[in-house]
Amino acid sequence: EIVMTQSPATLSVSPGERATLSCRASQSVSSNLAWYQQKPGQAPRLLIYGASTRATGIPARFSGSGSGTEFTLTISSLQSEDFAVYYCQQYNNWPTFGGGTKVEIK
Amino acid sequence: QVQLVQSGAEVKKPGASVKVSCKASGYTFTSYGISWVRQAPGQGLEWMGWISAYNGNTNYAQKLQGRVTMTTDTSTSTAYMELRSLRSDDTAVYYCARDRGLPPYNWFDPWGQGTLVTVSS
Repeated sequence: EIVMTQSPATLSVSPGERATLSCRASQSVSSNLAWYQQKPGQAPRLLIYGASTRATGIPARFSGSGSGTEFTLTISSLQSEDFAVYYCQQYNNWPTFGGGTKVEIK
Repeated sequence: QVQLVQSGAEVKKPGASVKVSCKASGYTFTSYGISWVRQAPGQGLEWMGWISAYNGNTNYAQKLQGRVTMTTDTSTSTAYMELRSLRSDDTAVYYCARDRGLPPYNWFDPWGQGTLVTVSS
């Protein structure tokens, strides 16, 4: 099983600031990585797949980068609706998720 | 639009079984697989398994082998997940999600709204 580790567990950011979330795989997953956003009481929503391709309807302030074992999700200027939990997921093999990063208001 | 609508919340006793449904609309059901993912209260996401809606092929997470069965009914575009011998640590929100990418290794979009399954004596 490929273990996905996200850091930090919690990120405190002010609205309008930049947020950088990290995700590390225990072995290479190439570019087979997705990012999801989850708000309380809601299902996860796909943001990014292929490590860097935005899903349909996702604002340009969300960007993904990386390959192999190190990945980053960047939110360029946080809006109020962006405060949520973010998960990475690899699909180079049977899917596994990271533990999540909670982005909270500073 | 593509939509997955799941059945309602369930309360079960330890040792019982639960069957959750996931009705798809807005796309050709047999062109995509369906995965099931669960989330225990306050916890992260756990992939449970996958079923091809095209031919019924399945693959289950090792820790659930023998307790979980995933099926589809192509006549109603509905996927089902049955979990048996329920334990308290099976208490979770269960999500279905449409598979994207090259099967069977997928990302997921969209997701159903979730079904809360509570296991309690």
